[in-house]
Amino acid sequence: AQSVSQHNHHVILSEAASLELGCNYSYGGTVNLFWYVQYPGQHLQLLLKYFSGDPLVKGIKGFEAEFIKSKFSFNLRKPSVQWSDTAEYFCAVLSVSGGYNKLIFGAGTRLAVHP
Amino acid sequence: DGGITQSPKYLFRKEGQNVTLSCEQNLNHDAMYWYRQDPGQGLRLIYYSQIVNDFQKGDIAEGYSVSREKKESFPLTVTSAQKNPTAFYLCASSWGWRGNNNTEAFFGQGTRLTVV
Repeated sequence: AQSVSQHNHHVILSEAASLELGCNYSYGGTVNLFWYVQYPGQHLQLLLKYFSGDPLVKGIKGFEAEFIKSKFSFNLRKPSVQWSDTAEYFCAVLSVSGGYNKLIFGAGTRLAVHP
Repeated sequence: DGGITQSPKYLFRKEGQNVTLSCEQNLNHDAMYWYRQDPGQGLRLIYYSQIVNDFQKGDIAEGYSVSREKKESFPLTVTSAQKNPTAFYLCASSWGWRGNNNTEAFFGQGTRLTVV
């Protein structure tokens, strides 16, 4: 069965530190990959997505992610975090199989950025 | 405004009762999804649907049922068979796979269900 693993459940950083959140998935077929963010009290928003082409994708608010097919990974990065990045981050995989599109999420990573 | 509407925002249910959560979208999306969000467990897929009158079980379908009689509506029923129903429920929709880049899901604001 398909699955998504996020390695870090809680991350605490100081402002201006660099961020990397790990995401691995298990599915050998066609996938689209996503990172979503959930700010406190708000609904899920799309940060960035990978469909095909350049494996390095850029999203909103200075986030980027790299798709490494051989490692089944899609890690999220940001060179310098801000206090406003405090949120929960979810990696998601859309798998295509037999005409069905199954969208599954990782367990999430809670990021706290201290001023 | 285009979007996904979940209602109600808060719902209380007595143990042993079935309850139905509403999800409506006016984005003309083909695919719709129901998730359950619990602290530390992320979003777990309950049911999903690609087209009208067709839906598939997700990873935690036991104790839940759905219907997809209209493209814009995908209600979720939490039955009395669901052992731990208190949770935050999220509905989402997307174009689904069309061989292009527009496959991301859009989410509603969620329904918080509490069993009392």
